[in-house]
Amino acid sequence: QKEVEQNSGPLSVPEGAIASLNCTYSDRGSQSFFWYRQYSGKSPELIMFIYSNGDKEDGRFTAQLNKASQYVSLLIRDSQPSDSATYLCAATRGTASKLTFGTGTRLQVTL
Amino acid sequence: DAEITQSPRHKITETGRQVTLACHQTWNHNNMFWYRQDLGHGLRLIHYSYGVHDTNKGEVSDGYSVSRSNTEDLPLTLESAASSQTSVYFCASSRTGDTGELFFGEGSRLTVL
Repeated sequence: QKEVEQNSGPLSVPEGAIASLNCTYSDRGSQSFFWYRQYSGKSPELIMFIYSNGDKEDGRFTAQLNKASQYVSLLIRDSQPSDSATYLCAATRGTASKLTFGTGTRLQVTL
Repeated sequence: DAEITQSPRHKITETGRQVTLACHQTWNHNNMFWYRQDLGHGLRLIHYSYGVHDTNKGEVSDGYSVSRSNTEDLPLTLESAASSQTSVYFCASSRTGDTGELFFGEGSRLTVL
């Protein structure tokens, strides 16, 4: 079992809809969680991070964390074609620790 | 602007040759990491360093080595390249005490024939 698991997709949503991306982790010592976006042929770029249970909102993006269920999600409201990318979930035990990544979920936003 | 750069961006080599991928960051970050990215496997950690003269093995370190002689650089060496090491390699850095966010280089695509 990988430490961080994601459905590889593709997840297809129509423009304007809400995209829901999910991630589970196995290491209960994980403290912080990150969502990265990666366009094809490019390097990952940070979308959001979260370390407290509950929701964290930033513009059209909302990260949700449930440590009891070991579950992290990313909601993208009003999805745009430019959101089409692979979304990587990552977990770390601390700020000085290495990040462990999931395999990523490919999101396709259709017109 | 501070940045992290990798070179070369593309390289083709032959089995058995030694290859070094360079990584240079100007953020003065203590922590530096090398990942490889393959279809179906995502980003996997090869080696990482928390400071000068510190190096640690990641989950896929066999056949790779790193050295950290200064804060800015963490070169990745493939001692004897194998076809299984054909991949895209990403260098990243982070600052101790910060959020843990990784800043990535643009990647180096290595093909071993």
